[in-house]
Amino acid sequence: KQEVTQIPAALSVPEGENLVLNCSFTDSAIYNLQWFRQDPGKGLTSLLLIQSSQREQTSGRLNASLDKSSGRSTLYIAASQPGDSATYLCAVNIMAGNMLTFGGGTRLMVKP
Amino acid sequence: EAGVTQSPTHLIKTRGQQATLRCSPISGHTSVYWYQQALGLGLQFLLWYDEGEERNRGNFPPRFSGRQFPNYSSELNVNALELEDSALYLCASSPTWGDIAEAFFGQGTRLTVV
Repeated sequence: KQEVTQIPAALSVPEGENLVLNCSFTDSAIYNLQWFRQDPGKGLTSLLLIQSSQREQTSGRLNASLDKSSGRSTLYIAASQPGDSATYLCAVNIMAGNMLTFGGGTRLMVKP
Repeated sequence: EAGVTQSPTHLIKTRGQQATLRCSPISGHTSVYWYQQALGLGLQFLLWYDEGEERNRGNFPPRFSGRQFPNYSSELNVNALELEDSALYLCASSPTWGDIAEAFFGQGTRLTVV
């Protein structure tokens, strides 16, 4: 059974810092991995999708990497801003379709 | 282009009642997924519909059911509500499952069972 773990569970940083969020999964046979952002009480906003054949994806200040063999992904946020404060979730897709298995999330607070 | 829309935003029901939640996918998307986000349990996969058929379901009892209509919109029905069904229910859509594509989520329906 696929399990997804995110470390740390919570993170508080001053504005402007570069930071790394970690995601690990137990079964390397994945189709893709997605990173999402969730604001309190809201739905999920897709940030980045990495296919299993890819090593990384970039969007603006965000960069996500994938190492399938070791079962790890990282989300790098450059020059963090207070507006980045949210919960960040990673999810893996292990078969055709999009039945995602989610990690528990990292709750990020960026202080002005 | 409109995103995934869910209704209602909030729903309050009494234990034992039935709840119906609705989802409209992004135009052109044929697959709809339902997830439950209960406090302390994280996001869990509930149901997947594609082309009007239930393709897969997560580890939930049969009182969680749904359907997908010809226009690809979907309903999630929860019968015999229990207090622990209180959660944020999220709907997602993606292009037909033959394409490994990005999942897009709606804003959710907050179900409270009292």
